[in-house]
Amino acid sequence: DTEVTQTPKHLVMGMTNKKSLKCEQHMGHRAMYWYKQKAKKPPELMFVYSYEKLSINESVPSRFSPECPNSSLLNLHLHALQPEDSALYLCASSLDSGTGSYNEQFFGPGTRLTVL
Amino acid sequence: AQSVSQHNHHVILSEAASLELGCNYSYGGTVNLFWYVQYPGQHLQLLLKYFSGDPLVKGIKGFEAEFIKSKFSFNLRKPSVQWSDTAEYFCAVEGDSGGYQKVTFGTGTKLQVIP
Repeated sequence: DTEVTQTPKHLVMGMTNKKSLKCEQHMGHRAMYWYKQKAKKPPELMFVYSYEKLSINESVPSRFSPECPNSSLLNLHLHALQPEDSALYLCASSLDSGTGSYNEQFFGPGTRLTVL
Repeated sequence: AQSVSQHNHHVILSEAASLELGCNYSYGGTVNLFWYVQYPGQHLQLLLKYFSGDPLVKGIKGFEAEFIKSKFSFNLRKPSVQWSDTAEYFCAVEGDSGGYQKVTFGTGTKLQVIP
């Protein structure tokens, strides 16, 4: 299995809603990532988990809350989002993320989020 | 901090034309280099990667890239493009960030191949 799956594919939410994005991989990877991609822009790193611990937080607002319950799962909890948070949210995984390791990231299809 | 620049934002080619997409990076240490492709409506896929060794790397679908360390470049090439190569292409650099490897993407090049 060389897939990263993400659910849901599309999500529309109001600014007062609470929702979660889910990402799953069964490749035995120990590093997982959340990226945000706006239209016609490159993916921007949000969070990195390494061995289920948060290792990088790229100064993301607290209305985005990541969670890594186990090595195969990565969640992104959303609360009180703004319309400008509308974007494609991509999950990726790699074998490792430590210095000196060679990491090819495998990307999921993304969740298209619209905040009204 | 590392950065990546892709000079061509939008490239239009006829089928069978040769392709070269530029990528330059800025980083003071050892880097790993990637080219990713995003076909319309599909997710990011790895085209090729460079970690060490032969600076000319071959990827899927006839693509290749050459790492020129002195020029901080990793240009993507294909001798003869097809209509199915229409996609967005992202160059990416991975380098150390506080003990962890961080990947930074370039702004992307949209390739349109005309039949």
